[in-house]
Parts: sequence; structure tokens; C-alpha cells
Amino acid sequence: KQEVTQIPAALSVPEGENLVLNCSFTDSAIYNLQWFRQDPGKGLTSLLLIQSSQREQTSGRLNASLDKSSGRSTLYIAASQPGDSATYLCAVRGATNKLIFGTGTLLAVQP
Amino acid sequence: EPEVTQTPSHQVTQMGQEVILRCVPISNHLYFYWYRQILGQKVEFLVSFYNNEISEKSEIFDDQFSVERPDGSNFTLKIRSTKLEDSAMYFCASSDENNQPQHFGDGTRLSIL
Repeated sequence: KQEVTQIPAALSVPEGENLVLNCSFTDSAIYNLQWFRQDPGKGLTSLLLIQSSQREQTSGRLNASLDKSSGRSTLYIAASQPGDSATYLCAVRGATNKLIFGTGTLLAVQP
Repeated sequence: EPEVTQTPSHQVTQMGQEVILRCVPISNHLYFYWYRQILGQKVEFLVSFYNNEISEKSEIFDDQFSVERPDGSNFTLKIRSTKLEDSAMYFCASSDENNQPQHFGDGTRLSIL
């Protein structure tokens, strides 16, 4: 059974720092991995999707990498801003369409 | 940018009552999903729907749950007889292909009293 874990559970950094969020999964037989952002009381905003054949994806200040064989993905945020404060979730898709989510990393960027 | 819309944003219902949560997926999408998130817990998959039928459902999605696409735009989740433990945020999502990003709505907060 696929299990998805995110470390750290919470992170506080000063504005301008570069940071890395980690996601690990137990079954490497995934089709893709998706990173989301969730603001308090809100829905999930899709940030990046990495297909299983890809190593990384970039969007603006965000870069996500995938190492399928070791069951790991990282989300790198460059030059963090207070507006980046949110919970970041990773989710993996296996042979079926359902996404299996991690517990998330709560990020606070201090001005 | 097109988005998934969900109504209502908050629903308060007495235990044992039926509730219908509504979603309008992105218009050209073909795959539809419901997830839920109990407060403080992970987002959990409930059901996926494609070509007017359920393609997969989780153990949570028992006989009390049903989904329907009554017309070309709406996608609904019905809970027949609600229980206290059904209290959660319910998210609808859609995607255009099964290997493309799933796009989520803002959710419906369901509170069972």
C-alpha cells in the first residue's frame, strides 16, 4: 500500500531564503507526482506535475525534482516571499487515477 | 483561467439527513473526482468518475455515497444518511486526461450536527 510522507511538518524561514520541501513515497511504481499549495480554509492549487519519466519541472521560482527509484521528490522554492506562506502537499498517482496525499509541510515565511 | 467551482461553500446538516454537494468541473475535462479532508488529516480519495460511470472508489465510499453527472456540466456527491464522522472538507477535482494535473475546487465544508 502506497504511503506518502512529507518532512518537515512545519518550517519557518526569513524572507529571501531558498528552501527545500521533501516528499517520500514507499512504492516507486508511480505514474506521476503532483505538488499542491493549500491556503487556510481553501482548496488545493496545483503547482507542478512531474511525470514518472521526468526528473524535474520548473515554474517561476519553483523547481520540483523526482527520483522515482529512491521514492523521493523535492520542491525547491527560491527567494521565498511572505506570500509563499501556505501548506504544501505532494501527491502521487499510481496505476489508477487516484491521488495519494502526504500530510503536508506548513511553511511560514517571515517578513 | 478556468477553474472548478463547488457549492455550497459550507453546509450544516443534521445527522441522518441527506446532503448533496455540487461541483462544476472545468468544461473540457473528462475525468472527475471527489476527495475529502477531515480536519487535521490527509486529503483522502473517495471516488473517480469517467464516461458516466465510477472508475474507482475507496473503502470510505460505501452504500451511503453516490455520484452523478446529471447534465453536461454538473457533478454531484450525495450522502444519503449523514453521520457525525462525515464532517469534513469535500473537494471536487477534474482533469482532461488521466495523466494530466488534477485541478481542485475550493471545497465544501460539511458540518454534521
